[in-house]
Amino acid sequence: GESVGLHLPTLSVQEGDNSIINCAYSNSASDYFIWYKQESGKGPQFIIDIRSNMDKRQGQRVTVLLNKTVKHLSLQIAATQPGDSAVYFCAERGSGGSNYKLTFGKGTLLTVNP
Amino acid sequence: GAGVSQSPSNKVTEKGKDVELRCDPISGHTALYWYRQSLGQGLEFLIYFQGNSAPDKSGLPSDRFSAERTGGSVSTLTIQRTQQEDSAVYLCASSFTSGGSYEQYFGPGTRLTVT
Repeated sequence: GESVGLHLPTLSVQEGDNSIINCAYSNSASDYFIWYKQESGKGPQFIIDIRSNMDKRQGQRVTVLLNKTVKHLSLQIAATQPGDSAVYFCAERGSGGSNYKLTFGKGTLLTVNP
Repeated sequence: GAGVSQSPSNKVTEKGKDVELRCDPISGHTALYWYRQSLGQGLEFLIYFQGNSAPDKSGLPSDRFSAERTGGSVSTLTIQRTQQEDSAVYLCASSFTSGGSYEQYFGPGTRLTVT
């Protein structure tokens, strides 16, 4: 079946550095992608989304890049802070009649060292 | 404002027992989702409710799993004859289904441990 996966399971950065978390997806028909942040003991929290008709979207300190040619998604966090330490998931939304269903990757653990 | 709430936050049960997990979605959200998250894994879709439509149960792993949503609001996920492999965090989410984004808001989850 279709899947969404991550290249790196863990990422450790110094406070103040920029972080880049990558994600590969396989369903070329997916039209919507989301990044979630999950802190320990909590449910996933929406960070930013992007539609397939865009290749870049910026939020507060975060940028998502979408490369449909190679089916790759990345999340960039600027000036990473200790509060950014969490597991980050990418998710893709199904197409057509299953456009409510999200398929999640396994997640990347981001650790920010002070 | 109030987010998605789930209860209990933790549940330890013996193998073979039945358990019920509860989800209270955000008021006004018509869509409700259940996911399962095993240790160190991503989220596995279980079931989706939308208004009065028939739920999408395609993600339920076996017939021991069932879910209901009463009055279009509160939902209960029931696992019968629990097995050790059922141990996981069960997450509930809710969303609007208009506006295009379908952003799902998650609850804190119920950690289920089957001994």
